[in-house]
Amino acid sequence: KAGVTQTPRYLIKTRGQQVTLSCSPISGHRSVSWYQQTPGQGLQFLFEYFSETQRNKGNFPGRFSGRQFSNSRSEMNVSTLELGDSALYLCASSLGTGFPYEQYFGPGTRLTVT
Amino acid sequence: DQQVKQNSPSLSVQEGRISILNCDYTNSMFDYFLWYKKYPAEGPTFLISISSIKDKNEDGRFTVFLNKSAKHLSLHIVPSQPGDSAVYFCAARSGSARQLTFGSGTQLTVLP
Repeated sequence: KAGVTQTPRYLIKTRGQQVTLSCSPISGHRSVSWYQQTPGQGLQFLFEYFSETQRNKGNFPGRFSGRQFSNSRSEMNVSTLELGDSALYLCASSLGTGFPYEQYFGPGTRLTVT
Repeated sequence: DQQVKQNSPSLSVQEGRISILNCDYTNSMFDYFLWYKKYPAEGPTFLISISSIKDKNEDGRFTVFLNKSAKHLSLHIVPSQPGDSAVYFCAARSGSARQLTFGSGTQLTVLP
């Protein structure tokens, strides 16, 4: 099976702009979660989508939003970018929201805000 | 408030020796724990997990130990190999919450 794919892999944006990141889960996986990774902070949970519905949301401002399509592909949007949004954004897919809890991660999108 | 803590940002071990990575948690509602390994420019890869009803789970060279009373888990890698050099994250989940809560990671370097 193909793994989780994320596009683009690298992105440079200017403060104030907006950005959209894309994630294609493993075939058959219906749950997609997004995480932000910054140095020293580990992975911070952004949100989870299952069957096109947001099931859970982390403690991030409303500038961060997402959606999931009927084919389980997901997009994440960040509006009015700030310098602190520079991070690696990881997408993870799993069969569902219950057991087993293992999530399979994509390689991430490295976002740099200047 | 970090509910999952990995207090050692880095660890160096000689090839062939045991690597022990530690993780502490504060949320007593966590009932499932996982370890992930991450190489540069790649996403984290699931390694091993343990349910709170167990105190040990083994998979080849990797063993995870859970001490619920101390709210502590550890990952043992025996014997360590240079290819094990990576960042290791522990993660936890409670039955009521859907997301995984991750620690900040430990960079393991296995020296040849």
